[in-house]
Amino acid sequence: QKEVEQNSGPLSVPEGAIASLNCTYSDRVSQSFFWYRQYSGKSPELIMSIYSNGDKEDGRFTAQLNKASQYVSLLIRDSQPSDSATYLCAVYTGRRALTFGSGTRLQVQP
Amino acid sequence: EAQVTQNPRYLITVTGKKLTVTCSQNMNHEYMSWYRQDPGLGLRQIYYSMNVEVTDKGDVPEGYKVSRKEKRNFPLILESPSPNQTSLYFCASSSHPRGDEQFFGPGTRLTVL
Repeated sequence: QKEVEQNSGPLSVPEGAIASLNCTYSDRVSQSFFWYRQYSGKSPELIMSIYSNGDKEDGRFTAQLNKASQYVSLLIRDSQPSDSATYLCAVYTGRRALTFGSGTRLQVQP
Repeated sequence: EAQVTQNPRYLITVTGKKLTVTCSQNMNHEYMSWYRQDPGLGLRQIYYSMNVEVTDKGDVPEGYKVSRKEKRNFPLILESPSPNQTSLYFCASSSHPRGDEQFFGPGTRLTVL
């Protein structure tokens, strides 16, 4: 079992819709959870971090964490074509640096 | 401007020819890491460093070496590159390893023939 799992996609949504991206992790001692956005050929950029159960909102982005279910998600409201990218889920367990999922490719159709 | 720089950005080489990819950060960060990214496999950590002269293996260290003689620099060395090391490489730095302050370099696309 991979430490951090994501559906590779592509996830296709129409412009203006809500995109829902999901991630599961295997290590119960995981402490911190992150979503990075990566455009093709570019480096990852941090868009959301979440540390406790519940929801965290920042603009059009909402991160949701459920530690009991070992599940973290990212919701993108009012999706725009510029949101088309690969979204990487990353988990920090407290031992060393981040463990990344393989990413979900999001396509927002105009 | 706070940044992580990598050189070269693109490199095509042949099997067995030693190469070094440089990484430098200007943020006085203690933690630095090297990742490789391959289709379907995401970002996998090669090596990381917690401070000068302190390095440790990540998930895929075979075939790579690193050194951390200065805080700002963290070069990645391939002593004898092989085709399975063809990949996109990222250097990253942070003041803490947990990720929220992690800065990535622009990436180095390496092809080994």
